Amino acid sequence: QSALTQPASVSGSPGQSITISCTGTSSDVGSYNLVSWYQQHPGKAPKLMIYEGYKRPSGVSNRFSGSKSGNTASLTISGLQAEDEADYYCCSYAGSSTYVFGTGTKVTVL
Amino acid sequence: QVQLQESGPGLVKPSETLSLTCTVSGGSVSSNGYYWGWIRQPPGKGLEWIGYLYYSGTTNYNPSLKSRVTISVDSSKNQFSLRLTSVTAADTAVYYCASGYSSSWYAYWGQGTPITVSS
Repeated sequence: QSALTQPASVSGSPGQSITISCTGTSSDVGSYNLVSWYQQHPGKAPKLMIYEGYKRPSGVSNRFSGSKSGNTASLTISGLQAEDEADYYCCSYAGSSTYVFGTGTKVTVL
Repeated sequence: QVQLQESGPGLVKPSETLSLTCTVSGGSVSSNGYYWGWIRQPPGKGLEWIGYLYYSGTTNYNPSLKSRVTISVDSSKNQFSLRLTSVTAADTAVYYCASGYSSSWYAYWGQGTPITVSS
C-alpha cells in the first residue's frame, strides 16, 4: 500500500485557477469514488474540503471542486486567494477497509 | 458539532507502548453510524492513516501497522483510544484523532498531540 502521488508544489497568482493531481492505481483511486481532499495550514489540523470525489461539506467554498479520470483524482481551486495557501492531501479507499493518503502538495499564492 | 481532544504522554521510550486517548464532546462515541479514526503526521512529512473504529465496535487498521495497533472505545467516558506497541523513532509524529459519518472521510479533527519516541 503505497502513498498516492501528488506534486510537491503548485503555485498560482490571485484569481487564477490551479489543479492538484493525485495519482494512484487501479487498486485504489481507479476503482472507487472514495477520494477525499484535506487542506492543512501550518501547525493546524487538516480540514475536509472534498469527499467522495466531488462533494463539498457545508461551509466549504464552491471555489473548490473535485474530479477523477482513471487512476488520477484532481482538486481544482478557482479564483485563488491568499487564504488558500496551505498543504493539500488526497486520501483514497484502497480496498479491504483500508485507506491511503497522498504525499501532499504545497500550494503557494504568488 | 462534534469536538475532539487528544491526550497523551508527549515522550515515549523506544520499545515501549504508546497510549493515546481522544475525548469526544458534542456527540457520543456510541452514536449510530459514526466512525472514529486515528491519523498521524511525522515531522515535516505527510499524513498517514492509522485506522478506525466503527460505533458498532468493528476496527480496521493500516496493514503496515496492524500487528502493533489497537483502537478501542470507552463509552462510559465518551472516549476512544489508540495503543501502539514496540515503538521506534519512526513512530515520532503528531497524532490526530478524527471522526465522521463515513470511514472514507473525516469532518471533525482534534488539534493533534505531538509524540516523540526517544530514550
